[in-house]
Amino acid sequence: AQSVTQLDSHVSVSEGTPVLLRCNYSSSYSPSLFWYVQHPNKGLQLLLKYTSAATLVKGINGFEAEFKKSETSFHLTKPSAHMSDAAEYFCVVRQSGTYKYIFGTGTRLKVLA
Amino acid sequence: DGGITQSPKYLFRKEGQNVTLSCEQNLNHDAMYWYRQDPGQGLRLIYYSQIVNDFQKGDIAEGYSVSREKKESFPLTVTSAQKNPTAFYLCASSSPGTGKNTETQYFGPGTRLLVL
Repeated sequence: AQSVTQLDSHVSVSEGTPVLLRCNYSSSYSPSLFWYVQHPNKGLQLLLKYTSAATLVKGINGFEAEFKKSETSFHLTKPSAHMSDAAEYFCVVRQSGTYKYIFGTGTRLKVLA
Repeated sequence: DGGITQSPKYLFRKEGQNVTLSCEQNLNHDAMYWYRQDPGQGLRLIYYSQIVNDFQKGDIAEGYSVSREKKESFPLTVTSAQKNPTAFYLCASSSPGTGKNTETQYFGPGTRLLVL
């Protein structure tokens, strides 16, 4: 069965410093992977997705993620955090051959002034 | 603008009452989903539908019901059998793909259900 594990439930960074949100997946097949962001009391917004075309995926708002098959990881990074990045982030894998998506438990990012 | 709308934004339920959450999409997507989100937890799948007039139970379907009479609409009813309905409910949709084609889920703004 496919699954995703977000290794940190909370991450705090200072404004202007790099962001790293970690995600590991388990999948027997080449996975479809996504990162979403959720601001308080809002829906989820897609940041980026892995389509197997390139291992380094660039998303919106300066975020990017690198697919590493050998490490079964899909970590989300941003070079410089902004106050507006404070939100909850979800790593998601699509279950192969189905319409179902498996969500990680989320990482809450706090950005300190 | 294409997107997903959910209504109402807040909904209050009295004990023993059934309530219905609305979800409409104009993205022409075949698949639609309902998720429940509790504080500090990820999203849990309640029901999903791949095509009109067809739907499948997700991981936590007990106490909920759905219908899919139109492609653009996927209402969720929280029945009185759901003993702990207080949560944030999110609707999503996606279009099908095969093989290496990935499907992106698009989400609505959510409905917060509270029990009186």
